[in-house]
Amino acid sequence: DQQVKQNSPSLSVQEGRISILNCDYTNSMFDYFLWYKKYPAEGPTFLISISSIKDKNEDGRFTVFLNKSAKHLSLHIVPSQPGDSAVYFCAASGGDYKLSFGAGTTVTVRA
Amino acid sequence: EAQVTQNPRYLITVTGKKLTVTCSQNMNHEYMSWYRQDPGLGLRQIYYSMNVEVTDKGDVPEGYKVSRKEKRNFPLILESPSPNQTSLYFCASSLAGTGTGNTIYFGEGSWLTVV
Repeated sequence: DQQVKQNSPSLSVQEGRISILNCDYTNSMFDYFLWYKKYPAEGPTFLISISSIKDKNEDGRFTVFLNKSAKHLSLHIVPSQPGDSAVYFCAASGGDYKLSFGAGTTVTVRA
Repeated sequence: EAQVTQNPRYLITVTGKKLTVTCSQNMNHEYMSWYRQDPGLGLRQIYYSMNVEVTDKGDVPEGYKVSRKEKRNFPLILESPSPNQTSLYFCASSLAGTGTGNTIYFGEGSWLTVV
């Protein structure tokens, strides 16, 4: 049973607009959340993370929001650029050396 | 350059023929892990290692073995591969695990097809 869920398999957005990716989790023991970006034929690369003691973390065009009561996090990309077209994975950890991933969301940025 | 290196990158093998996928990292990381990626399921953890000679099962360990005899290497062994192990495999490492503040670095992936 997947503990991390990304319910939108794909997202299409116009260049310059905001991309919002959503992620839900079920395990209340998760206390560290990460987003990874993956291009075809490459391994996932770390994008941004957030600890459960925060509700927002920002890094340049990328912002992650965490709503612990709803067990929900989101990744905002503003403005979206063509190089952002990739698969994005949400991941969560409870400090037990395990990392659980969502199924991924494929983002396509249209020119 | 800091990296996680997997070999082979692509392999087609037959059912039952033992194979090993090697993984090596040059960052002196304590933690290493193996994942498989399947359509609609994302990445699922197979095994992980907290340090030399210390390994534990992830979520999908059946059909796989691992060993950690050296800090830099963490091979994945398929003793008797079956078609349901056809997948894209990723090795990963981090300084000290998956807890807060740790960044997990991934290799480029190994495409394995079992016929």
